[in-house]
Amino acid sequence: QVHLQESGPGLVRPSETLSLTCTVSAGSISTYHWAWIRQLPGSGLEWIGYVSYIGSATYNPSLKSRVTMSVDTSKNQFSLKVTSVTAADTAIYYCTRGGGTWQYWGQGTLVTVSS
Amino acid sequence: DFQMTQSPSSLSASVGDRVTITCQASQDIKNYLNWYQFKPGEAPRLLIFDASKLETGVPSRFSGSGFGTDFTLTISSLQPEDVATYYCQQYDLLPRTFGQGTKLEIK
Repeated sequence: QVHLQESGPGLVRPSETLSLTCTVSAGSISTYHWAWIRQLPGSGLEWIGYVSYIGSATYNPSLKSRVTMSVDTSKNQFSLKVTSVTAADTAIYYCTRGGGTWQYWGQGTLVTVSS
Repeated sequence: DFQMTQSPSSLSASVGDRVTITCQASQDIKNYLNWYQFKPGEAPRLLIFDASKLETGVPSRFSGSGFGTDFTLTISSLQPEDVATYYCQQYDLLPRTFGQGTKLEIK
């Protein structure tokens, strides 16, 4: 059973960079696309983007200017960076496997943007 | 702009009831529609993929139907463990988008 686990700071200061990592176990990262999705307070779910195992990424246009995704196949991990964060980026961030259908998910990590 | 409209936003029903949640796309997305179950503190769960295919391990009381613009998730006999928020999601278009969610409670 593929397992995904998000890790990273739970608190980020406004204007700084949010950085999260997702570790994949019981399965190789060297296939599939790997995605990030966030659950905004009271505002539902937002697809942030996905990255292929070779590092080619596609982002949501709403966030594209601030988002970078990458893959580290040696560590079986993939990562998310969101720059210039504001309170509107406060959310539960999920990592998941797939380009459009997400069968395996992490449990999510709450990231709060606050000074 | 493409829109996914999910209804109702909340629903209260009794154990054993038949529950229906609908999702409408603003343009034809064929059968590229999934349904997920979200519970606080848990990893989200894929219930239905390709509009009508039951994910492995999901109880058979869950079913999905629809094609094109109108889709339905049905729980044939509501159980206490079905208390959750349910979302539809399309993967025909980029960006991938979700419905607004349906919070399901037991009456």
